[in-house]
Amino acid sequence: EAGVTQSPTHLIKTRGQQATLRCSPISGHTSVYWYQQALGLGLQFLLWYDEGEERNRGNFPPRFSGRQFPNYSSELNVNALELEDSALYLCASRLAGGGETQYFGPGTRLLVL
Amino acid sequence: GNSVTQMEGPVTLSEEAFLTINCTYTATGYPSLFWYVQYPGEGLQLLLKATKADDKGSNKGFEATYRKETTSFHLEKGSVQVSDSAVYFCALSGGSNYKLTFGKGTLLTVNP
Repeated sequence: EAGVTQSPTHLIKTRGQQATLRCSPISGHTSVYWYQQALGLGLQFLLWYDEGEERNRGNFPPRFSGRQFPNYSSELNVNALELEDSALYLCASRLAGGGETQYFGPGTRLLVL
Repeated sequence: GNSVTQMEGPVTLSEEAFLTINCTYTATGYPSLFWYVQYPGEGLQLLLKATKADDKGSNKGFEATYRKETTSFHLEKGSVQVSDSAVYFCALSGGSNYKLTFGKGTLLTVNP
């Protein structure tokens, strides 16, 4: 069974640009979570999507947004990039009704110059 | 709100040494508890979990017991290997959104 996949693996942008990160969950998983792992800040919850809807968001500004598609894949968009947005962005999926375990992808490393 | 406190690293051990990484938590209700491991340059892998008090999670020689009375979920391994070198994260999942709250991570280095 394929795990969670993310693309691209690395992304380099300049300040003010927009970044789009993609995630495909494990087959059958309908919930997708996004986390940011920034140096010195640890792992922080960003967004939760389930059944195509945004269900919850962490303490991040509105320029962090996303969506979930009918096939349950998800996209994270970061607008007006700032230097401090440089981080590893991790996507995780969970089987709705299947407990609380989240399974993580390899991440997208975003560098903002 | 929920929070997780892990012992600060880095932790450096020799091969075959005993490992303990302490983890305590604060949460309302009855959270599920997890240990994730992150190898260099990779994402997070689930190592083990426990969903209720006194449950013991185990995998690959690692163990952790959910202790409600001490709000702890310490990670242990009897004999570490060089391949265990990684960052270990303790996490909890609580509430209807199932979001994970992580500790800051503990870097473990095992020398041959």
